[in-house]
Amino acid sequence: GQQLNQSPQSMFIQEGEDVSMNCTSSSIFNTWLWYKQDPGEGPVLLIALYKAGELTSNGRLTAQFGITRKDSFLNISASIPSDVGIYFCAGIIYNQGGKLIFGQGTELSVKP
Amino acid sequence: KAGVTQTPRYLIKTRGQQVTLSCSPISGHRSVSWYQQTPGQGLQFLFEYFSETQRNKGNFPGRFSGRQFSNSRSEMNVSTLELGDSALYLCASSLTSGGGGQDTQYFGPGTRLTVL
Repeated sequence: GQQLNQSPQSMFIQEGEDVSMNCTSSSIFNTWLWYKQDPGEGPVLLIALYKAGELTSNGRLTAQFGITRKDSFLNISASIPSDVGIYFCAGIIYNQGGKLIFGQGTELSVKP
Repeated sequence: KAGVTQTPRYLIKTRGQQVTLSCSPISGHRSVSWYQQTPGQGLQFLFEYFSETQRNKGNFPGRFSGRQFSNSRSEMNVSTLELGDSALYLCASSLTSGGGGQDTQYFGPGTRLTVL
């Protein structure tokens, strides 16, 4: 079935560093979404992408919808301690709205 | 605008019992999707409801069922609970399940189910 490969699985970085994570798939997606999840809570939407090639920013976060529609990346600039958490990519395939396919998550640790 | 709410937040059940979880979507949202999150399997899609109809279903046994009411609130039920059903159950709502951004999903805080 459809699957999203998210990498890296975990990152340990120093405060102030930039972070990059990505998701790839063999399937074509209509929508790419990036979420952040804190322990015991539900995922919070960070950025939504709807068009191939789209580049969208939300504060220090920037995400892009790959041209092939099979991949997406998320960058975090100048990381701060509150960036700690698990980041998930999720995609929606055309005509399968309502069903998100998730990556395995990237666990981010930030050392002050 | 209030977010997605889920009740209860925590549940402890024993094997063989059944459980019902509730989800209230964001006002105006008509699509509700349910997901199971476990450390081993990650986030997996259970089913989606739109206008009281199940529109999409994941690969879960028939013990997992759901429904949606006319006010878009949704419930999911798990019967004959097994140890492996212990998980965080997440509900997400969107305007519709169509494209163009209307299917962007917003999640509730989840219900943590522990099966003993």
